[in-house]
Amino acid sequence: DIVMTQSPDSLAVSLGERATINCKSSQSVLYSSNNKNSLAWYQQKPGQPPKLLIYWASTRESGVPDRFSGSGSGTDFNLTISSLQAEDVAVYFCQQYYSTPTFGQGTRLEIK
Amino acid sequence: EVQLVESGGGLVQPGGSLRLSCAASGFTFSSYAMSWVRQAPGKGLEWVSTISGIGTTTYYADSVKGRFTISRDNSKTTLYLQMNSLRAEDTAVFYCAKVQNSGGSRPYFDHWGQGTLVTVSS
Repeated sequence: DIVMTQSPDSLAVSLGERATINCKSSQSVLYSSNNKNSLAWYQQKPGQPPKLLIYWASTRESGVPDRFSGSGSGTDFNLTISSLQAEDVAVYFCQQYYSTPTFGQGTRLEIK
Repeated sequence: EVQLVESGGGLVQPGGSLRLSCAASGFTFSSYAMSWVRQAPGKGLEWVSTISGIGTTTYYADSVKGRFTISRDNSKTTLYLQMNSLRAEDTAVFYCAKVQNSGGSRPYFDHWGQGTLVTVSS
């Protein structure tokens, strides 16, 4: 299975500042059929199920605020929140769907 | 609006069985693959199983293969997970999740239910 490793495990950022979470895969998740990276990002708030934010590494799901963006290719990906809001406090997970789906361990985002 | 409502969780002894259900609404159920994803208390997410929209193709994580069976009834728009030979390490919240395609391969999960807790303990 492809191993997904996120960094950092936790992150504290001031309101209005930029937050960046990294996700690395143990092998490339670039899908040759469409030249897109099979990488999704989810947000999970306390007591709630995960919510899809980003798929194909950089496509924002409908209704997701544009302060959330995804970037990267191959084995190295980032989720960036351009201006942190209080409601963004959550755990964020990356997931590859190039092969048997696997998730990163999660990054806890807090307010500094 | 897509709605996924799980049920059937509870406390079961090691070696026991449990059947989870997920009632779906708000979309054409048979057109989409469906999955189960679990989360042990305080831990990360683990994909468990996926079934294609028409129910002919299934996929399982190695950790549950041979013990769990995924199925669906498209006439009832309901997804199931039959869990046998349960172990303590199966203790988790089990989420029902809608997959973005019909076949079930290369899935990501665009809608999730609220989850149902399965506790395996004597």
